[in-house]
Amino acid sequence: SQQGEEDPQALSIQEGENATMNCSYKTSINNLQWYRQNSGRGLVHLILIRSNEREKHSGRLRVTLDTSKKSSSLLITASRAADTASYFCATDATTSGTYKYIFGTGTRLKVLA
Amino acid sequence: AAGVIQSPRHLIKEKRETATLKCYPIPRHDTVYWYQQGPGQDPQFLISFYEKMQSDKGSIPDRFSAQQFSDYHSELNMSSLELGDSALYFCASSLGPLSYTEAFFGQGTRLTVV
Repeated sequence: SQQGEEDPQALSIQEGENATMNCSYKTSINNLQWYRQNSGRGLVHLILIRSNEREKHSGRLRVTLDTSKKSSSLLITASRAADTASYFCATDATTSGTYKYIFGTGTRLKVLA
Repeated sequence: AAGVIQSPRHLIKEKRETATLKCYPIPRHDTVYWYQQGPGQDPQFLISFYEKMQSDKGSIPDRFSAQQFSDYHSELNMSSLELGDSALYFCASSLGPLSYTEAFFGQGTRLTVV
């Protein structure tokens, strides 16, 4: 079963609009990360948020984390066509010294020019 | 800045052949992770190594094996290849366990089994 589930699975918006993607997970975590993947390409690290943080910003990205609900959201503001990609959340297991990430199913974002 | 290097970038093999994928982590990173991503799928964790020892294992077939060498690079060996092994294989590296840091991914090796 997936540690992370993301919704929506696909999202299509106009350039300039904001895009919000959500991720839910099942076990306790130490941190959660968001990655972007252009079609068939590598995974680009976007932002890491630790379990004791509630919100984090990086440029046009805003990530929130609600550990009580085991969920996170990624907001991309003022979207651009270049933001078209799949976005994944990844969580570690809370065991100290964990050595794996579990990825969610990803949200495919399409930004229309 | 140096990133995770994977080689080869593309590989075509026939069924029942063997493939070896290589991963060179970011300098000073001591932990390496391998993931498999099928078409339209999310990345699936295969195996990880910390300080040259296997640290965690996921859904890695018995036909696959991996190791981390003294220079911290890692190799994923895949034998008796099947059509279903066609996928993008990612390697990632981190400095220490993921509880404390982030992992950075390479560009991946696209394996096609024909």
